[in-house]
Amino acid sequence: GAGVSQTPSNKVTEKGKYVELRCDPISGHTALYWYRQSLGQGPEFLIYFQGTGAADDSGLPNDRFFAVRPEGSVSTLKIQRTERGDSAVYLCASSPEGGGEQFFGPGTRLTVL
Amino acid sequence: AQSVSQHNHHVILSEAASLELGCNYSYGGTVNLFWYVQYPGQHLQLLLKYFSGDPLVKGIKGFEAEFIKSKFSFNLRKPSVQWSDTAEYFCAVNGPSGTYKYIFGTGTRLKVLA
Repeated sequence: GAGVSQTPSNKVTEKGKYVELRCDPISGHTALYWYRQSLGQGPEFLIYFQGTGAADDSGLPNDRFFAVRPEGSVSTLKIQRTERGDSAVYLCASSPEGGGEQFFGPGTRLTVL
Repeated sequence: AQSVSQHNHHVILSEAASLELGCNYSYGGTVNLFWYVQYPGQHLQLLLKYFSGDPLVKGIKGFEAEFIKSKFSFNLRKPSVQWSDTAEYFCAVNGPSGTYKYIFGTGTRLKVLA
C-alpha cells in the first residue's frame, strides 16, 4: 500500500499501563506528524518530526507522552501510565517535506479502561 | 494562540441543495488553508488547499472554497450536494509562526438526505 499505515487499529488497555502506537509513513516522506482526536473534536497536534528529529513537540500534553523516529521512517508514540483521559483516536500523517499537504493514516483508537 | 472556528457543527441538507460551511481562523500572518473530509469509516482526505494566488480554489468532487483575507475566512461551498457527500468536514490552517503543524477546527458533520 502507498498510504500511511498505523498499527494497531484498536488498542484497549487498563489505567496505568504502557502503550506503543506505530506509524509507517508514505515512503520518502521526511515529515511525520502525530495528532490526537477526541470525540466531537478536531485533531489536535502532538508532535512533528523532520527526519529523525522532533522539530516541534509543543503539543505533547505531559511527560507521559513520548515519540521516536530513529531511522527517519517509522515512528512510535509511547504513552506511559495511561489515564482514562488518554482515550482518543491517535492519527499519524506524513508529507514530502515540512509544510504543505499532509497525508493521514486511519488512526489508532485507544481506549483506557 | 491561533485557532480555527467552524460555526456549523451539524448540517442536514436534501440532495441537490447548495452547501456552504464556514471556517474562520485567528492568525493575521501568512497561512496555508485546507479542507479535509472524513467519510464514515475512512481516514481524513484532502478536499482542497490554498497556499497563494487565486483566492477561489477548486477541489475534488465539485467542492470549492474562497479565501477572504480581510475576513480571515475560508468557506467551503458546493452548488449541489449528493447523498455521498455525507461526511465530516474539517478546516485546517498551518504556517503560523513558521511551524508546519495543522490547527484544525472542530469539524462539521454533514448529512445529506436522499
